[in-house]
Amino acid sequence: NAGVMQNPRHLVRRRGQEARLRCSPMKGHSHVYWYRQLPEEGLKFMVYLQKENIIDESGMPKERFSAEFPKEGPSILRIQQVVRGDSAAYFCASSPQPGGTYEQYFGPGTRLTVT
Amino acid sequence: QQQVKQSPQSLIVQKGGISIINCAYENTAFDYFPWYQQFPGKGPALLIAIRPDVSEKKEGRFTISFNKSAKQFSLHIMDSQPGDSATYFCAASIGKSGAQKLVFGQGTRLTINP
Repeated sequence: NAGVMQNPRHLVRRRGQEARLRCSPMKGHSHVYWYRQLPEEGLKFMVYLQKENIIDESGMPKERFSAEFPKEGPSILRIQQVVRGDSAAYFCASSPQPGGTYEQYFGPGTRLTVT
Repeated sequence: QQQVKQSPQSLIVQKGGISIINCAYENTAFDYFPWYQQFPGKGPALLIAIRPDVSEKKEGRFTISFNKSAKQFSLHIMDSQPGDSATYFCAASIGKSGAQKLVFGQGTRLTINP
């Protein structure tokens, strides 16, 4: 039973470049959540997606950040024109469905460093 | 209203002792309260969770106590072991809307001394 998979695990980008973070949910899970964790802080919700739909993006910065979960393939969190303040750990979680069991299972994270 | 406040920020407990971490919330619409354990460099792992219709839930050495009227809940780790040394996060979510974004506390760094 593979868990939530994220890649890359570590990503280094120069200011102004683009960062693409990938997340494959657990088998049988069709709901994906992205969270950001700044050093020494808790996790902050960014976006909740189902296949081909963004359900809640209330935690996403208005500019430079976008997310998708296509019909086929992993969910992608895209950060354009990265700045130093984007350096953080980005975690993806998946759940089987809302409204029933609510458990979210987290991946190992992608640690983004902007130089 | 969407905040979950967690305390203490750090905690040192002797091996075999009881570790207690507290959380408080304001939004009465929260209806699911999980605790996550995170080791350095790893993702958070679900430890135990509770719904507000029960006041206590126990799984092995881990117990959640829930006080709905006070809007507080806590994690108790009995017979704490060095392997329990990690950062613990409480969280809350609103499930009725179908969008289960988790609101996390700030985290507690727990150290168990051998």
